[in-house]
Amino acid sequence: DSGVTQTPKHLITATGQRVTLRCSPRSGDLSVYWYQQSLDQGLQFLIQYYNGEERAKGNILERFSAQQFPDLHSELNLSSLELGDSALYFCASNPSGGAFYEQYFGPGTRLTVT
Amino acid sequence: TQLLEQSPQFLSIQEGENLTVYCNSSSVFSSLQWYRQEPGEGPVLLVTVVTGGEVKKLKRLTFQFGDARKDSSLHITAAQPGDTGLYLCAGVQAGTALIFGKGTTLSVSS
Repeated sequence: DSGVTQTPKHLITATGQRVTLRCSPRSGDLSVYWYQQSLDQGLQFLIQYYNGEERAKGNILERFSAQQFPDLHSELNLSSLELGDSALYFCASNPSGGAFYEQYFGPGTRLTVT
Repeated sequence: TQLLEQSPQFLSIQEGENLTVYCNSSSVFSSLQWYRQEPGEGPVLLVTVVTGGEVKKLKRLTFQFGDARKDSSLHITAAQPGDTGLYLCAGVQAGTALIFGKGTTLSVSS
């Protein structure tokens, strides 16, 4: 158990809908990272937050957005969903926000868009 | 174009065999990490290599970082069924977020 929690574990929704994925980092970790894992693209970095502020952006679509709240939990919002958005979504956390340091991954949310 | 290429993509071997998986790039990384991911779980860090030419050992696993810091390898000696999983390499460039390869799926049968 990494100490990172993600909810829900599974999510099935229809095209065009909007969903919110939630992540609680390890106690004391200030930085949260979001990743998307699909069979064809592998694990892709989406976005990073550090202590409530956006720190780095990766291959995140404009239909996707995220935020980190004062209690440090984070939410990833996916809107106007398409079939191709079906994937595993992971969040990870670490204390410092530096990519060099170990990131602790949650168990993931499996999103299926039908 | 994938920045980090891992090979082979799939590997199926018998218990006791040795194996090597590779992680290659045309880019230089300030450091490189190896993760293992099991079905239904998130990746777990195995090792971080920082210096060109560095070799690190973790029990039966040996990790090497290329001299030019563009490639890395993972060698497993006497593989066991418990080694089964997806092995991912991830590079760090100038402090930016991790860039992952697509991984090598290893299956070790007894």
